[in-house]
Amino acid sequence: QAQLVQSGSEVKKPGASVKVSCKASGYTFSDYYIHWVRQAPGQGLQWMGWINPRTGAAKYAQKFQGRVTMTRDTPITTGYMELSSLTSDDSGVYYCARDPITVTYGMDVWGHGTTVIVSS
Amino acid sequence: SYELTQPPSVSVSPGQTARITCSGDALPNQYTYWYRQKSGQAPVLVLYKDSERPAGVSERLSGSSSGTTATLSISGVQAEDEADYYCQSADNRGTYWLFGGGTKLTVL
Repeated sequence: QAQLVQSGSEVKKPGASVKVSCKASGYTFSDYYIHWVRQAPGQGLQWMGWINPRTGAAKYAQKFQGRVTMTRDTPITTGYMELSSLTSDDSGVYYCARDPITVTYGMDVWGHGTTVIVSS
Repeated sequence: SYELTQPPSVSVSPGQTARITCSGDALPNQYTYWYRQKSGQAPVLVLYKDSERPAGVSERLSGSSSGTTATLSISGVQAEDEADYYCQSADNRGTYWLFGGGTKLTVL
């Protein structure tokens, strides 16, 4: 069955960057966008952007533009989200989720989440 | 910037119908999606294209959208329905996605 497996927890210092991976399996990687969603402690879901694995094109939420980069490595069916210039406000759980490119369906498979802690 | 507005909390007794609303100016032009998130777990898609249920989602969940408001209804509420529910949609151009602030459903 379709599955997204994310990399492990990270602890970073303010000003550093973090790169989270999302390994897809059980489906055709290039047929689905990969979205990234952040959830700060005790807060709601925040959409960060998506990448089209087929073309490499990405779209970022305005809040993160200039600090976030989403990439993919198609041969190993893995997506990446890198966030730079970290502050304590970037602490939280980062999820990846897939969404079909050619049909309207929503984010139907999610990763388990990666916890990022930003602390000096 | 564009926002989706949900009530922070909804409380219902078991067996009653819970209704969670989501308001946004672009909803007449964009589909609404709904996700359920239980404590410590990843979100789960429960409705797409305003009212469609993914396979495996209970028929007690239904959705509608009219004008600038979308509604998730849960009939015959059970203790297992207690969770945070998030609506998700896009701006008018469909370029930027966003989530509502989430609604905590409490079963009394």
